Amino acid sequence: QVQLVQSGAEVKKPGASVKVSCKASGYSFVNYYIHWVRQAPGQGLEWMGVINPNGGTSNGALKFLGRVTMTRDTSTSTVYMELSSVGSEDTAVYYCARDLYGLGSYTFFDYWGQGTLVTVSS
Amino acid sequence: DIVLTQSPATLSLSPGQRAALSCRASQSVDDYLAWYQQKPGQSPRLLIYDASKRAAGIPARFSGSGSGTDFTLTISSLEPEDFAVYYCQQRFQWPPLTFGGGTKVEIK
Repeated sequence: QVQLVQSGAEVKKPGASVKVSCKASGYSFVNYYIHWVRQAPGQGLEWMGVINPNGGTSNGALKFLGRVTMTRDTSTSTVYMELSSVGSEDTAVYYCARDLYGLGSYTFFDYWGQGTLVTVSS
Repeated sequence: DIVLTQSPATLSLSPGQRAALSCRASQSVDDYLAWYQQKPGQSPRLLIYDASKRAAGIPARFSGSGSGTDFTLTISSLEPEDFAVYYCQQRFQWPPLTFGGGTKVEIK
């Protein structure tokens, strides 16, 4: 069965970087985009960006331009999202999610990781 | 960016009642719209995609309709497990993919 398993909760100080991992299993890793979506406490969902595991190219929301780096390791079927220069406004649950249609266009999210809570506090 | 506005913010209903949730787009998104359900402490779950297609394993009481700028998620008869927050999301124009602000369906 398809599974996306994320790394554990993180606590970071303002200005630091945080790196979250998402390990995929149960399907062909290189044939589906992986997206990153975050959710601040008590708030809605916010799309951050997407990575193509087949080649490693990525695309992100302008809001995060220069602060988000998405990478992948095909040998372990794992994608990573690193967010730099974090502030209190980055406190949120970060989710990875698989693209419903695979590759070709960014669409919807059919499988989600369990979420990783990132807390930014001095 | 395409803005999705969901209404109402909260819907108070009893089990067995019909729920109709609205999602309005700031410009046409054709039928490139999805609905998700999220329960407290859980990840979102895809219910409907391409406006009206049910995702795998989703009960038939969930249905989606609409195109262009106005969309509706209907739950024909609320079950106890359906009380949750529902989000719409568009894929017509990106980046960014955008979500609505959510509608909470609560027990009356």
